[in-house]
Amino acid sequence: RKEVEQDPGPFNVPEGATVAFNCTYSNSASQSFFWYRQDCRKEPKLLMSVYSSGNEDGRFTAQLNRASQYISLLIRDSKLSDSATYLCAVNWNDYKLSFGAGTTVTVRA
Amino acid sequence: NAGVTQTPKFQVLKTGQSMTLQCAQDMNHNSMYWYRQDPGMGLRLIYYSASEGTTDKGEVPNGYNVSRLNKREFSLRLESAAPSQTSVYFCASSARVFFGPGTRLTVL
Repeated sequence: RKEVEQDPGPFNVPEGATVAFNCTYSNSASQSFFWYRQDCRKEPKLLMSVYSSGNEDGRFTAQLNRASQYISLLIRDSKLSDSATYLCAVNWNDYKLSFGAGTTVTVRA
Repeated sequence: NAGVTQTPKFQVLKTGQSMTLQCAQDMNHNSMYWYRQDPGMGLRLIYYSASEGTTDKGEVPNGYNVSRLNKREFSLRLESAAPSQTSVYFCASSARVFFGPGTRLTVL
């Protein structure tokens, strides 16, 4: 079983829609959780950390469910520029992050 | 502030050839990483260096060696390239992982 798993999608949504997707992790000792955004043929960039109480950054909301061992990302009022692959990442020590394979989101006009 | 830089951006090798991928960061981070990214596999950690002078194996270290030359630089060497090493290689620094632009490597 992979340490971090994501639904690859693609999620095809119209502009203005809400889209949400999850990421499950296998190690219950995981300490930190992140969402990254990766555009085609570019490097991943940190989108946001995920805190235990959940957190928002503009149109993006991240949630953590430790009991079921998953994190989620919700995008409200989708923009064309939100089209990308979203990678979740999990770590359980200070140095090593494990990444999911990514969820592709395509926002159409 | 260039962040994390990698050279080369693209490389084609023949099976059995060797090469070194270079990475440098100017953010004074202690930790640095080498990942490879393959379709459907996500990012997999090859090696990491928690601090200058230390290196450790990640998830997929076979076929690779690394050198942490100083705090700024962390290189990845393929001694005898194989087609299975065709991938996109990302260097990164810091536990929050600031990525370089990547090296697209094809091994024929």
